Amino acid sequence: AQKITQTQPGMFVQEKEAVTLDCTYDTSDPSYGLFWYKQPSSGEMIFLIYQGSYDQQNATEGRYSLNFQKARKSANLVISASQLGDSAMYFCAMRELRAGGYQKVTFGTGTKLQVIP
Amino acid sequence: ETGVTQTPRHLVMGMTNKKSLKCEQHLGHNAMYWYKQSAKKPLELMFVYSLEERVENNSVPSRFSPECPNSSHLFLHLHTLQPEDSALYLCASSQIGGQNTEAFFGQGTRLTVV
Repeated sequence: AQKITQTQPGMFVQEKEAVTLDCTYDTSDPSYGLFWYKQPSSGEMIFLIYQGSYDQQNATEGRYSLNFQKARKSANLVISASQLGDSAMYFCAMRELRAGGYQKVTFGTGTKLQVIP
Repeated sequence: ETGVTQTPRHLVMGMTNKKSLKCEQHLGHNAMYWYKQSAKKPLELMFVYSLEERVENNSVPSRFSPECPNSSHLFLHLHTLQPEDSALYLCASSQIGGQNTEAFFGQGTRLTVV
């Protein structure tokens, strides 16, 4: 079974500083995908970044980068130059592709990030 | 409209009521999902529809009844709910078969059962 662990229930970061949100995972499937989602207080889950298990390079999307260490089974999210609008819950998730081609996504418990002015 | 839209955004219902949650996606996706997000718990996958066919039901009580009339619409029919069913219900959609395709989520329906 897949498992996602986020050990930081809450984090604070100063505006304009960088912050790393931790995520470790466990799976026996050699092919998997890792996601990070942001959930502001409005409730919507917003996709941030994706890393495939066979990708050779770490994924980057603007201010977001994913520090993927396959041997250690970690997929930490790095947010550079934090902004007040980054305050939200952040979820790490892992995708398992089912036989029918659809995704089964397992989520971690989330990290609440608060950016301080 | 674009993306995944859920209605209503907020719902308060009594334990004897019957109500329905609606999800609509305008992304041309062919898989749709219902998730439940309770306080201090990871998101729980409830149901998956792939090509309008239910392909997963993760031990969800029968008081929750999904319906997928077409690839763009997904409903969750609710009846005789319990207070512990109060949660944020999120709908998502994705494209079948894509290796790098993420699931897109709606804003959720915050349900309170009184």
